[in-house]
Amino acid sequence: EVVLTQSPATLSLSPGERATLSCRASQSVDNYLAWYQQKPGQPPRLLIYDASNRATGIPARFSGSGSGTDFTLTISSLEPADFAVYYCQQRSNWPRTFGQGTKVEVK
Amino acid sequence: EVHLLESGGGLVQPGGSLRLSCTASGFTFSDSAMTWVRQGPGKGLEWVSSVGFNGASTYYADSVKGRFTISRDNSKNTLYLQMSSLRADDTALYYCAKGGFYGFSDNWGQGALVTVSS
Repeated sequence: EVVLTQSPATLSLSPGERATLSCRASQSVDNYLAWYQQKPGQPPRLLIYDASNRATGIPARFSGSGSGTDFTLTISSLEPADFAVYYCQQRSNWPRTFGQGTKVEVK
Repeated sequence: EVHLLESGGGLVQPGGSLRLSCTASGFTFSDSAMTWVRQGPGKGLEWVSSVGFNGASTYYADSVKGRFTISRDNSKNTLYLQMSSLRADDTALYYCAKGGFYGFSDNWGQGALVTVSS
């Protein structure tokens, strides 16, 4: 099973600041990694797929990078709506696995 | 617009069974793989199971293998999750999601709550 480790667990930032979230895989997943955003009481929303492709309707301030075992989600300038929990997921191997999540909170 | 509506959740005793349904609309259901993901109270996301477009291929998390069965009825645009031998740690909000087999899940339902307790 591919274990995805996200860091940090919590990121405390102010609106307008840049957010950098990390996801590390226990083995290579090529570029088969996605990022999801989840707000309280809502289902997850796909942001980035295959490491660097923005999903439909996702603003350009969200970007993804990486391949193999190390991946990054960057939010260039935080908007109030961006404070949420972010999960990475891999589809390189079965079982599909998620990271434990990074909470981006208001400083 | 894609719409996924889960139903069938509820309170069940340990060792009991429950069947979740997910009714889909707004896309060609028979062309799409489908997935179940769950989220325990205050916890992260856990992938549960995925099924290919025609139901022939299925995959399960080790935590549910042998107890849960995923299936679909393309004539009814409906996805199912039959859950048996339920345990307290199966308590979660169960999401139905489009895709997740050859790609990622790009649309999700609001979830069905399953509580396993005596």
